[in-house]
Amino acid sequence: DTEVTQTPKHLVMGMTNKKSLKCEQHMGHRAMYWYKQKAKKPPELMFVYSYEKLSINESVPSRFSPECPNSSLLNLHLHALQPEDSALYLCASSHQTTFSGNTIYFGEGSWLTVV
Amino acid sequence: GENVEQHPSTLSVQEGDSAVIKCTYSDSASNYFPWYKQELGKRPQLIIDIRSNVGEKKDQRIAVTLNKTAKHFSLHITETQPEDSAVYFCAAISSYNQGGKLIFGQGTELSVKP
Repeated sequence: DTEVTQTPKHLVMGMTNKKSLKCEQHMGHRAMYWYKQKAKKPPELMFVYSYEKLSINESVPSRFSPECPNSSLLNLHLHALQPEDSALYLCASSHQTTFSGNTIYFGEGSWLTVV
Repeated sequence: GENVEQHPSTLSVQEGDSAVIKCTYSDSASNYFPWYKQELGKRPQLIIDIRSNVGEKKDQRIAVTLNKTAKHFSLHITETQPEDSAVYFCAAISSYNQGGKLIFGQGTELSVKP
């Protein structure tokens, strides 16, 4: 089973709203990721959690705040977003981090529209 | 840091023809090269991968070849079908001191015409 589950699938929020994206995996993976993807462009890495600790932050603006409550869950808290933040947000996981050549499995994504 | 270049950006073939997508990478320490297929509105899905100790890998109609000396790897799809239409991304792992991150190519939009 290579299932990474994301909710919600679609989210429309105003620039003053606070919302969260949620991600869950039950594969026992110890690395989890947030990516942002614009149409027909490659996914862009935002954050990496390894063993529930933030290991990589790709200079993401503070209006995006990740959280890893436990080894199965990953959240992305959103606040005061801009219209250009509208994108597909992909959660992913791997057995360990990609350095060891571990395969990344993506969730279905959350389509975010900022109005 | 690692850089991955992917060509072509668009590719149109007739059903039944073969399709080839090529990628080059810059970091000679890279050792893992996955390929993802992304259909419209869906997630990227791993279709095949290859590690640096292997020169070729095949899975039914899909094959990947790796030339470590030249630092390039290619995806080959034979007997293409309309359902192969999608955007394909190659990727490589950057070296440890670059964070061991998955670096994607810019993608190839493959269109298979019936």
